[in-house]
Amino acid sequence: QVALKESGPVLVKPAETLTLTCTVSDFSLSDARMGVSWIRQPPGKALEWLAHIFSNDKKSYNTSLKSRLSISKDTSKSQVVLTMTNMDPVDSGTYYCARTPAGYSYIYYDSWAQGTLVTVSS
Amino acid sequence: SYVLTQPPSVSVAPGKTAILTCGGDITGSQTVHWYQQKPGQAPVLVMYYDRDRPSGIPERFSASNSGNTATLTISRVEAGDEADYYCQVWDSGSDLAIFGTGTKVTVL
Repeated sequence: QVALKESGPVLVKPAETLTLTCTVSDFSLSDARMGVSWIRQPPGKALEWLAHIFSNDKKSYNTSLKSRLSISKDTSKSQVVLTMTNMDPVDSGTYYCARTPAGYSYIYYDSWAQGTLVTVSS
Repeated sequence: SYVLTQPPSVSVAPGKTAILTCGGDITGSQTVHWYQQKPGQAPVLVMYYDRDRPSGIPERFSASNSGNTATLTISRVEAGDEADYYCQVWDSGSDLAIFGTGTKVTVL
């Protein structure tokens, strides 16, 4: 059964770098159809897409956050890693990784991790 | 960047039909996907490619996309349908995902 699970700190200090890992199971990150995105949600607010990595290792980023984001993957470990630099309290929220089986266009997300709540506070 | 606008809230009585809209310049040229999110849970895909339903999603859920407005219709609404609903598109020109502002569905 397809599954994704995030891991990482629940508390980071302002100006620190957040590193989150998404470990996937029952599918391969090298499969041409598969890609993984990171999506976040501040408390009580809407979903916000952050970044995506395609099977060919191509990367895409939220235009507004691009300078702070980096996404990478380790296919052998079935992991996708997101780093976000210079964290601020407004970056607090639940961070999700999600899978698309749609390849390179008309991407949608059929499987989501449970989400990890990240709080930015000194 | 594109914005997908959804009404903040929709209220519907049990057994009735809820119609949720998602509007924006990009909806007419891209396929739209829909997610249901219950409190404290991750989103769940309920419709994709404008009108396809994943396995396990009741036939009461249907969707369409025409012009600049995509629509999710929930027929014979049940108490368990109470949730936030988000539309989403993939902007192929810029290779980025856009989520709508979300609609909270309340079952009266």
